Amino acid sequence: DTGVSQNPRHKITKRGQNVTFRCDPISEHNRLYWYRQTLGQGPEFLTYFQNEAQLEKSRLLSDRFSAERPKGSFSTLEIQRTEQGDSAMYLCASSRRDRNNEQFFGPGTRLTVL
Amino acid sequence: QKEVEQNSGPLSVPEGAIASLNCTYSDRGSQSFFWYRQYSGKSPELIMSIYSNGDKEDGRFTAQLNKASQYVSLLIRDSQPSDSATYLCAVNEPYNQGGKLIFGQGTELSVKP
Repeated sequence: DTGVSQNPRHKITKRGQNVTFRCDPISEHNRLYWYRQTLGQGPEFLTYFQNEAQLEKSRLLSDRFSAERPKGSFSTLEIQRTEQGDSAMYLCASSRRDRNNEQFFGPGTRLTVL
Repeated sequence: QKEVEQNSGPLSVPEGAIASLNCTYSDRGSQSFFWYRQYSGKSPELIMSIYSNGDKEDGRFTAQLNKASQYVSLLIRDSQPSDSATYLCAVNEPYNQGGKLIFGQGTELSVKP
């Protein structure tokens, strides 16, 4: 049983650079979620997809953030013009529509903006 | 008022004791409730889900839900040092069963040998 995978696991970038993260959900899961977590806090919702449709975006997701899920499979999260406040763990989760929203998380991508 | 509240801890219990973790939520429209375990530097791992009032047991873990009081708890029996982690309570977005989860800030549990 292959779980959720995320790449890269770590990313260090300089302020102002663009970064892109990838998430591959569990194969039979049609919903995919992005969360952000900072130290000492629970994950905060960013956006989610059902198949290829982006159904909700948090107001936390400024216009520097964009997410896609072409063909309803993997998803990418891009952050443009990174700021130091973007430093966090970016978590991807997936779920099946018929499983009461049980969400399974990938290992995360830790972003450090210098 | 935060939507999902947990005591941040740390909660310290001796090995073999029962650890009791508590969570309250603010919106009665929430229908699904989850407990995740998160080891330091790792991602959250789903350990329990509960949808109906009452108790749900899985091995050493028991989840308890009281929708009238808007309260959900997790009991860990025979606590082991390997249970030392942060436990996150999560609640589904009200009136949207398939939507986002709203997390508490987590309770840090330390099990002392």
